[in-house]
Amino acid sequence: DGGITQSPKYLFRKEGQNVTLSCEQNLNHDAMYWYRQDPGQGLRLIYYSQIVNDFQKGDIAEGYSVSREKKESFPLTVTSAQKNPTAFYLCASSVPKGPQHFGDGTRLSIL
Amino acid sequence: AQSVTQLGSHVSVSEGALVLLRCNYSSSVPPYLFWYVQYPNQGLQLLLKYTTGATLVKGINGFEAEFKKSETSFHLTKPSAHMSDAAEYFCAVIYSSASKIIFGSGTRLSIRP
Repeated sequence: DGGITQSPKYLFRKEGQNVTLSCEQNLNHDAMYWYRQDPGQGLRLIYYSQIVNDFQKGDIAEGYSVSREKKESFPLTVTSAQKNPTAFYLCASSVPKGPQHFGDGTRLSIL
Repeated sequence: AQSVTQLGSHVSVSEGALVLLRCNYSSSVPPYLFWYVQYPNQGLQLLLKYTTGATLVKGINGFEAEFKKSETSFHLTKPSAHMSDAAEYFCAVIYSSASKIIFGSGTRLSIRP
């Protein structure tokens, strides 16, 4: 079955450490997205990519970085510059003007 | 500015009662419209979508939504609530002039026994 795989499901970060969240899709979608969700909050867009080797900042990109070297993969790095990284992170993909398909999320916590 | 508004951050209904979750968009040009459901610690799952054609859209789990251009609305309904419907529901919009999807702030649906 086609879908989006996020890993790991739970991740812990130490102070001053960078961590990378994985997102892989086999839906052959050109566009991929990263969102942050805080308790009781909606979705906030971190970064998105509409094509390989190109990506744009979303509404809350500070402290995060991404790469898009392959169509299937869109990893998100939470850098030490992100002072409040504890959140639920969701990856999604879509075709142009189409609904987004989501992974099951990664929950990041601070040790 | 283009936006999507969900009225009511929390809705509580009795099991077996009608579920009505409200969503309004802000453009006179009909956009593409979507409803998603999110269960705890999971991603969002597409319930239904409206692009063109029939204004009453049926989705999964017995939900449906009606696109009303005159009211710029796309409310989600279900005739009889089940305990398993307890979740967060998000309305989303893609405007024809934009390429990005815009999500509403979400409505948490609780079901009383």
